[in-house]
Amino acid sequence: QSVLTQPPSVSAAPGQKVTISCSGSSSNIGNNYVSWYQQLPGTAPMLLVYENDKRPSGIPDRFSGSKSGTSATLGITGLQTGDEADYYCGTWDSSLSPWVFGGGTKLTVL
Amino acid sequence: QLQLQESGPGLVKPSETLSLTCTVSGGSISSSSYYWGWIRQPPGKGPEWVGSIHYSGSSYYNSSLKSRVTVSVDTSKNQFSLKLSSVTAADTAVYYCASMIRGVIKVWGQGTLVTVSS
Repeated sequence: QSVLTQPPSVSAAPGQKVTISCSGSSSNIGNNYVSWYQQLPGTAPMLLVYENDKRPSGIPDRFSGSKSGTSATLGITGLQTGDEADYYCGTWDSSLSPWVFGGGTKLTVL
Repeated sequence: QLQLQESGPGLVKPSETLSLTCTVSGGSISSSSYYWGWIRQPPGKGPEWVGSIHYSGSSYYNSSLKSRVTVSVDTSKNQFSLKLSSVTAADTAVYYCASMIRGVIKVWGQGTLVTVSS
């Protein structure tokens, strides 16, 4: 059971938009920045969004992040088959484990 | 460009100690901006943060693993290491080393699979 709650899976057609939610509490998302990671099949996770809504260089603006209260959202527009991956949110937590991940969301581009 | 590479045994026996090393290239492990960390991912599951350390020695550990985990840094070799004692099958996972800056896991190593089995 992850501290941060994500939907197990989402799907959409190529070219469409999808959002992935990440729900937490005041001990984590509510008082800390959220980052998002993309894990393509068989590879290591990669930073996609940091500090809620910033993109590292090289990440296309099709990917966006937002945060409100104790929840965060990753948005992906113009879906491509290459976006099929597992997506994880992460943040600091003031309780048991200083850093926590969401359970992950598998994106399928139909 | 910062790169990290894990190394160590791929098979560890139950009750023994898992030991991994991460070699940092393209940057200095003594940079004051970075924490250096370990994250693991059991097969078919999400990542789990294990622990992290600053070159000064300041460290943070996952409380569920804290009694068994030690992360250390060797500035002379630009490396940091993980030791996890008394391992069981539940510790079988891909172990990643990573760099953290301003609370963000910025760069990940490629990962190394460690299997706990007799």
